[in-house]
Amino acid sequence: DQQVKQNSPSLSVQEGRISILNCDYTNSMFDYFLWYKKYPAEGPTFLISISSIKDKNEDGRFTVFLNKSAKHLSLHIVPSQPGDSAVYFCAASALQTQGGSEKLVFGKGTKLTVNP
Amino acid sequence: GAVVSQHPSRVICKSGTSVKIECRSLDFQATTMFWYRQFPKKSLMLMATSNEGSKATYEQGVEKDKFLINHASLTLSTLTVTSAHPEDSSFYICSANDPGLAVYNEQFFGPGTRLTVL
Repeated sequence: DQQVKQNSPSLSVQEGRISILNCDYTNSMFDYFLWYKKYPAEGPTFLISISSIKDKNEDGRFTVFLNKSAKHLSLHIVPSQPGDSAVYFCAASALQTQGGSEKLVFGKGTKLTVNP
Repeated sequence: GAVVSQHPSRVICKSGTSVKIECRSLDFQATTMFWYRQFPKKSLMLMATSNEGSKATYEQGVEKDKFLINHASLTLSTLTVTSAHPEDSSFYICSANDPGLAVYNEQFFGPGTRLTVL
């Protein structure tokens, strides 16, 4: 049972245009969502996150939107740059009130290619 | 920022041998570290949660006797793949939390270790 889904395995956009990466989740207990960027043979790098109490979080060229009713979030990159080419993972977690660290559930990733 | 290192970055071993992978938090103390495995074209699969000074918590389907985890200090966790077989070949990644740096308790990942079992 895949709780976090990234239905597009790949996306190709032109430099300067907007990249929109989508993510859906099924577990209504998730209350914190993250996007990670990953290059081949490297560990993921944290990009941006959003709490379920918000519907938008912006950091420079990156904006994450959350639609709780639809259990859907998206990452917008604008303007897209060739250096943004990587695999983007959506991840979700549920707050644990007993302390300790929350486990992350990852989607399968979307490979973004930004063409010059 | 929070830096997590892994050693070795690549390892090739013969079937039946054991391999140890180290995960270190370089500039912070991590009471909790996570071990993931990534198959080709697949997502990151959480294998276990490593807690300093106590036993690791394994995810369903992960053999604890096969994948031994030790978290003896606040900056080091090790994953030992015992009696490795070709199906254990994979990309293993660790992560850690830095409560002092993270805004929402996000995890910081190591660079990963590519294990190839011949």
